[in-house]
Amino acid sequence: GAVVSQHPSRVICKSGTSVKIECRSLDFQATTMFWYRQFPKQSLMLMATSNEGSKATYEQGVEKDKFLINHASLTLSTLTVTSAHPEDSSFYICSARGTSGFTDTQYFGPGTRLTVL
Amino acid sequence: RKEVEQDPGPFNVPEGATVAFNCTYSNSASQSFFWYRQDCRKEPKLLMSVYSSGNEDGRFTAQLNRASQYISLLIRDSKLSDSATYLCVTTGGGNKLTFGTGTQLKVEL
Repeated sequence: GAVVSQHPSRVICKSGTSVKIECRSLDFQATTMFWYRQFPKQSLMLMATSNEGSKATYEQGVEKDKFLINHASLTLSTLTVTSAHPEDSSFYICSARGTSGFTDTQYFGPGTRLTVL
Repeated sequence: RKEVEQDPGPFNVPEGATVAFNCTYSNSASQSFFWYRQDCRKEPKLLMSVYSSGNEDGRFTAQLNRASQYISLLIRDSKLSDSATYLCVTTGGGNKLTFGTGTQLKVEL
């Protein structure tokens, strides 16, 4: 099956720093990638939809200037949490939707656990 | 009201038992339906899609009732390895997935 990787898997940082998370589709081309956030005991919440070569579409309530998304190629999307604060501590998960052969399913990365001190 | 509602559980069942989870969704325009499984501190993994006619995959059976906006998952002969959180997921336009908060299952010896 399709594989999506995320890096790093875990990050601990000080308040005010920026953190970049990478999401890669390893064996297929992903025209669309999605970024989710999951707080403890809550459901995954979609943050934004990232399309290759165009600006991301953010969900209501998600600050686009705080959560910068870049989808520069068909296999890589990055999420940068700028000036992270403790309330940004969460489990960030990306998913990728492919081109032909993979269009009906989103494949999830293993997630990045962010802890902001 | 949440778009996708599930009983959070936990459901504690003995090994070998049959257990059923239910889910309701509020968006009548939802087009596709899935059950995902999420293990503790891991990403969700697709368990099965849910079709209007109902579908079965081994010990797992999924049902969809569009009129009642209701989805179910039946697990027969529960295994210890089935212990996880089961997420009910729908999609609307744009292939956006909407997740329920999940139902926790604990299968015990």
